[in-house]
Amino acid sequence: NAGVMQNPRHLVRRRGQEARLRCSPMKGHSHVYWYRQLPEEGLKFMVYLQKENIIDESGMPKERFSAEFPKEGPSILRIQQVVRGDSAAYFCASSPQEGADETQYFGPGTRLLVL
Amino acid sequence: AQSVSQHNHHVILSEAASLELGCNYSYGGTVNLFWYVQYPGQHLQLLLKYFSGDPLVKGIKGFEAEFIKSKFSFNLRKPSVQWSDTAEYFCAVIGRGSYIPTFGRGTSLIVHP
Repeated sequence: NAGVMQNPRHLVRRRGQEARLRCSPMKGHSHVYWYRQLPEEGLKFMVYLQKENIIDESGMPKERFSAEFPKEGPSILRIQQVVRGDSAAYFCASSPQEGADETQYFGPGTRLLVL
Repeated sequence: AQSVSQHNHHVILSEAASLELGCNYSYGGTVNLFWYVQYPGQHLQLLLKYFSGDPLVKGIKGFEAEFIKSKFSFNLRKPSVQWSDTAEYFCAVIGRGSYIPTFGRGTSLIVHP
């Protein structure tokens, strides 16, 4: 059973470009979470999605960031007009159901570097 | 709002030394507790978790953690560390009724031979 997959693993962008990060949850998981990790900090929640629905985006910056989880295909985290402060590791996690009793399984992350 | 505090930001040990990493949380209700490990350049892996029952939880790779409700703590322990335990360790808390974990800022463990 394949784990959570993310691609690309590393992404380099120049300021002003767009970054698209993809996450395929574990088989059978319909809940996806995105987190951002800055150097020497813990993970910060960004957004929680189910298929075709954004459930909670309270951790998403109000501008330039968006996320989707279409009926078919991976979840996408999109960052428009990237700035140097967007440089971080972005992790996706998935779980089979909602709830505190459901363990989240993490992907390998995408390390974004904005030049 | 819930918060997690990991007091030790950097820990350096020799192989075979005993390990204890502190984790304290702040939350007004029942919680689920987790420890994750992140090896250099890799993703977070679940070490162990506590939902209910025996407050002493055994995890993978010889790790264990004890939930002490009165102290709002969930410290991670290992009696004898190995060089391969060098990694970042993150404590996380989810309050019952929530689905969003709050992570501590992590403890960087270096084990030297």
